Amino acid sequence: DAGITQSPRYKITETGRQVTLMCHQTWSHSYMFWYRQDLGHGLRLIYYSAAADITDKGEVPDGYVVSRSKTENFPLTLESATRSQTSVYFCASSETDRGKQYFGPGTRLTVT
Amino acid sequence: AQKVTQAQTEISVVEKEDVTLDCVYETRDTTYYLFWYKQPPSGELVFLIRRNSFDEQNEISGRYSWNFQKSTSSFNFTITASQVVDSAVYFCALSALGSGNTGKLIFGQGTTLQVKP
Repeated sequence: DAGITQSPRYKITETGRQVTLMCHQTWSHSYMFWYRQDLGHGLRLIYYSAAADITDKGEVPDGYVVSRSKTENFPLTLESATRSQTSVYFCASSETDRGKQYFGPGTRLTVT
Repeated sequence: AQKVTQAQTEISVVEKEDVTLDCVYETRDTTYYLFWYKQPPSGELVFLIRRNSFDEQNEISGRYSWNFQKSTSSFNFTITASQVVDSAVYFCALSALGSGNTGKLIFGQGTTLQVKP
């Protein structure tokens, strides 16, 4: 019972590079979310998805792209990484729009 | 607009003390959910509780209790007889189900609790 997994767990990349963070859940939850965690800001929503092929922006979407061709996967791409995108990224899923969200272990991304 | 405020950035207590973490929220929606999550030093986010806006009953789970008061828009969390293992960052979050919200969680900034032996 894997639950929700993220890969890689740690990533160092250079400014301007494209980076993709992967998120996979085994519950077939409809809803999936990407958050970033920064000191002093708590967690902020980047993008979310209500179902396969349905995505929408959250609070801080600039510089990020998502896709959801399969229910179980929700990759997050930084098209051209910037130092301000250095953060810890959490993926989450939930069965309904009012259910508790299950979080992945997080990906610590450093942009140099 | 939705907002969650956790005014206490850091709290330090000695083991066995009781401690209350404050959470104040703002929303115009009548249907919403409030959550508490715990983030221990290992970094994962652990779900603690979900409360809907129509249920103002307080809840107790072991040493944890939650006080939900719509009149003051607060959802405070109390740990009784704190233990070192309670040391963590605690987040309060709001999910409002008005137009366009689709279950998004709005998090407070978090309160870092340090329990000293």
